[in-house]
Amino acid sequence: SSVLTQPPSVSVAPGNTARLTCGTSNIRLKSVHWYQQKPGQAPAVVVFNDNDRPFGIPERFSGSNSGSTATLTISSVEGGDEADYYCQVWDSTGQRVVFGGGTTLTVL
Amino acid sequence: QVQLQESGPGLVKPSGTLSLTCAVSGDSISRNNWWSWVRQTPGKGLEWIGEVHHSGTSNHNPSLQSRVTISVDKSKNQFSLNLNSVTAADTALYYCASRGRFYGWTLDVWGRGTTVTVSS
Repeated sequence: SSVLTQPPSVSVAPGNTARLTCGTSNIRLKSVHWYQQKPGQAPAVVVFNDNDRPFGIPERFSGSNSGSTATLTISSVEGGDEADYYCQVWDSTGQRVVFGGGTTLTVL
Repeated sequence: QVQLQESGPGLVKPSGTLSLTCAVSGDSISRNNWWSWVRQTPGKGLEWIGEVHHSGTSNHNPSLQSRVTISVDKSKNQFSLNLNSVTAADTALYYCASRGRFYGWTLDVWGRGTTVTVSS
């Protein structure tokens, strides 16, 4: 079964690039989705199927998936990007949705 | 526009049953996607509880499986969660969500969430 490991926190200065990771064995074999959750709001998809973006999500948000690590990259970070970010996969063995523990992105 | 709205008691006694309903509007619950429940404890991460398909097939988080029932009511376009033998550890913000409706197999439409407290 999948256990998705995310760093608890990442800090980045405005205008720089944030890279949020999500790790598990052979994650490259799974489709990874990323959610953004701002305080008081429900999570929302920002990247799905490793590197696709829902309608309305800026191109600054991109994803990659290789080996044992998937990465959400946020370029030209803005204050409005401060949020918790969760990765998620479907565990086909256990027939269940699995979330990572989440990363809090702080914009300095 | 698809919208989901959770409803149910905000307070449940220990050892009792937590029952929530999610009303689906702007879409048919009989589409070929899944209808899920997710919870979040204060200051913590997301925990998937389980999901149901309009056919009645369901999947559950193994850690909760023995206590969880998720069902669908097509006549009312809604689905429900029952979690029995609750303890204080089940106190959380409960979300309903669709999975696989718009963006791959993501949880792509969410309700606003409803807070449930387990306390005597």
